[in-house]
Amino acid sequence: QVQLQQSGAELVKPGSSVKISCKASGYTFTSYDMHWIKQQPGNGLEWIGWIYPGNGNTKYNQKFNGKATLTADKSSSTAYMQLSSLTSEDSAVYFCAGHMAYWGQGTLVTVSS
Amino acid sequence: DIQMTQSPSSMSASLGDRVTITCRASQDIGNYLSWFQQKPGKSPRRMIYGATNLAAGVPSRFSGSRSGSDYSLTISSLESEDMAIYYCLQSIQYPRTFGGGTKLELK
Repeated sequence: QVQLQQSGAELVKPGSSVKISCKASGYTFTSYDMHWIKQQPGNGLEWIGWIYPGNGNTKYNQKFNGKATLTADKSSSTAYMQLSSLTSEDSAVYFCAGHMAYWGQGTLVTVSS
Repeated sequence: DIQMTQSPSSMSASLGDRVTITCRASQDIGNYLSWFQQKPGKSPRRMIYGATNLAAGVPSRFSGSRSGSDYSLTISSLESEDMAIYYCLQSIQYPRTFGGGTKLELK
């Protein structure tokens, strides 16, 4: 069955960067877009962007330009999202979602000194 | 950006009730509308796609409909496992945008 396994929780310092992974299994990784979604504590869902692993094309929410960078490694069927220049506003759970149909379990990023 | 206005923001209902949640799009989105269910501490689960199509494994008591720019998710007979927050999502334009969510609680 389709599974998206995300990397574990991160505690990071303000101003630093973090890279989250999302390993796909149970389907052809290069055939479906991979989306990334942010959810701050007690809040709703916010779309960050997507990457098409087949050719590496990306599309970002302008709000996250310069904040998030999406990449994919076809050899390991893994998608990545790097978040840079972290502030407290970046503290959230981040989800990957294949074609918006299959979701990872979420990765909690906490930005604190 | 397309705004998705979801209503109500919260509601309480009894087991067996018929429940309807609505999203209104600020621009034409055709049938590019999905519904997601999220339970506490869990990932969202896609329930409906293409406005009216039931996702695999979703119980048949769930249905989606459209009337103009209003999109609805209906649960025909509420069960305890349906208590959750529901979100709509438009996927016709970038950035993709979600509704604010509807928290469904047991009365």
